[in-house]
Amino acid sequence: QSALTQEASVSGTEGQKITLSCTGDSNNVGSYAVGWYQQVSHGPPKTVMFGNSLPSGIPDRFSGSKSGTTASLTISGLQPEDEADYYCSTWDYSLSASVFGGGTKLIVL
Amino acid sequence: EVQLVESGGGLVQPGGSLRLSCVASGFSVSTIYMSWVRQTPGKGLEWVSVIYSDGRGGSTYYADSARGRFTISRDNSKNSLDLQMNSLRPEDTAVYYCAREGITATGQRGAFDLWGQGTMVTVSS
Repeated sequence: QSALTQEASVSGTEGQKITLSCTGDSNNVGSYAVGWYQQVSHGPPKTVMFGNSLPSGIPDRFSGSKSGTTASLTISGLQPEDEADYYCSTWDYSLSASVFGGGTKLIVL
Repeated sequence: EVQLVESGGGLVQPGGSLRLSCVASGFSVSTIYMSWVRQTPGKGLEWVSVIYSDGRGGSTYYADSARGRFTISRDNSKNSLDLQMNSLRPEDTAVYYCAREGITATGQRGAFDLWGQGTMVTVSS
C-alpha cells in the first residue's frame, strides 16, 4: 500500500490533454514539494516536474499543480513518446521518509 | 555535466553484504540531500534512505525495510554517496538508484531532481 495514491493506468490519444493525480495528506503532499518522474521501459526515472517547475529539457506540454493534498501532472498535446510509467513522490514528515505513489501507466492510443 | 553514476551491484548470497557507490559530477554531495531509491523488477519505486547535507548535520533516515541492515554515508573527498548493505535478503533484489533531492524556487524540499542510471543487486543462492 503506497503512501501516495495514483491511478493505475490512464490512456489518451495523440494530441489529447490528460491529467495524472497524486493524492496524499497534510504530512506529505500538503506540506512539501512533489516530484513527478517518467520511466520508460524500466529505464532510470527522469524528473519531468520538480514542484511546479519544469526541469531543463522537458517539453512545455508538461505542467504541474497542487491543490491541498492532491498534486497533478498535466500533459497537453499527448505524444507517442509520452507513453511510460509515471511516479510521484515527496517527503512525509510523520514517517520521516520519502514516499512514492504506486505509479500510473500512461498509454497513448 | 551534472550526473550521478552508481556502481557496486552484483550477485550476492542471502546473508551477505554489498557496498554501493554513487559518484556525483557537477555539484557537491555535501551541500544537498541525497537518497537511495530501489525498484524491484516489475514493481514500483521504493525509497531506501536519505542523508542530509553537512549544513543540516548529515542526519540519516531509513525505510523500515532497511533500518538496522543498511548504512548510508557520504565521502566528500570523492564526492560520492555510499550504501553499505548487510544481512541481505532475496527481497532486497532490485535496481538501486541514487537520487538528488533538490530545493524548489520557493524553498521547499521533497522532490528528486536528478537520478543515476541504477545498479542491479541480486540476492540469491
